[in-house]
Amino acid sequence: DTGVSQDPRHKITKRGQNVTFRCDPISEHNRLYWYRQTLGQGPEFLTYFQNEAQLEKSRLLSDRFSAERPKGSFSTLEIQRTEQGDSAMYLCASSRTRDGQETQYFGPGTRLLVL
Amino acid sequence: EDQVTQSPEALRLQEGESSSLNCSYTVSGLRGLFWYRQDPGKGPEFLFTLYSAGEEKEKERLKATLTKKESFLHITAPKPEDSATYLCAVQPVSLGRGSTLGRLYFGRGTQLTVWP
Repeated sequence: DTGVSQDPRHKITKRGQNVTFRCDPISEHNRLYWYRQTLGQGPEFLTYFQNEAQLEKSRLLSDRFSAERPKGSFSTLEIQRTEQGDSAMYLCASSRTRDGQETQYFGPGTRLLVL
Repeated sequence: EDQVTQSPEALRLQEGESSSLNCSYTVSGLRGLFWYRQDPGKGPEFLFTLYSAGEEKEKERLKATLTKKESFLHITAPKPEDSATYLCAVQPVSLGRGSTLGRLYFGRGTQLTVWP
């Protein structure tokens, strides 16, 4: 396994701009999760996919946020009209369910700074 | 509401000084409890999964245990390279109707510093 990869690793943008992040899961992992982490806090769930279907979205995910996972492979997370409060580390995790159990493996994250 | 509380928030140990980190949880039903290690600026690294009360798992100097309401991460004779933030997360059982919700609920973590 090559691990979960995320791109870019860092992003600085101005308030009001749109940004898009990419996540490549571990191959053959059918589940893909997005979390957000701010300083001193644990990761907070945003949304997740099973294959290409988006099965759950958190209340944290405002209408400025959209996520896709075309063909059940990589995923993108787009934030429109960024706000300073969107500054955070965006983490992607993938997993494969087996016998009702799963372990989520995280990528290195994309650190977003909104000026 | 599902909640995870970790204590202490920060812990400083001298090399070789054993201690324990606590994770208490409130969840409607527990599918699994997870421990992760996170280094500054990096994503969480998986350590252990525990599924039922009484279960224990070990890896090098780390040992994780689980009761019905809390989990402990015991660190025996820590070294400076064990310095990191340790995160605890729970995965509730899925709801009925065939749903398979998988989200994790994380605590805020314990920041461990081990000095020589």
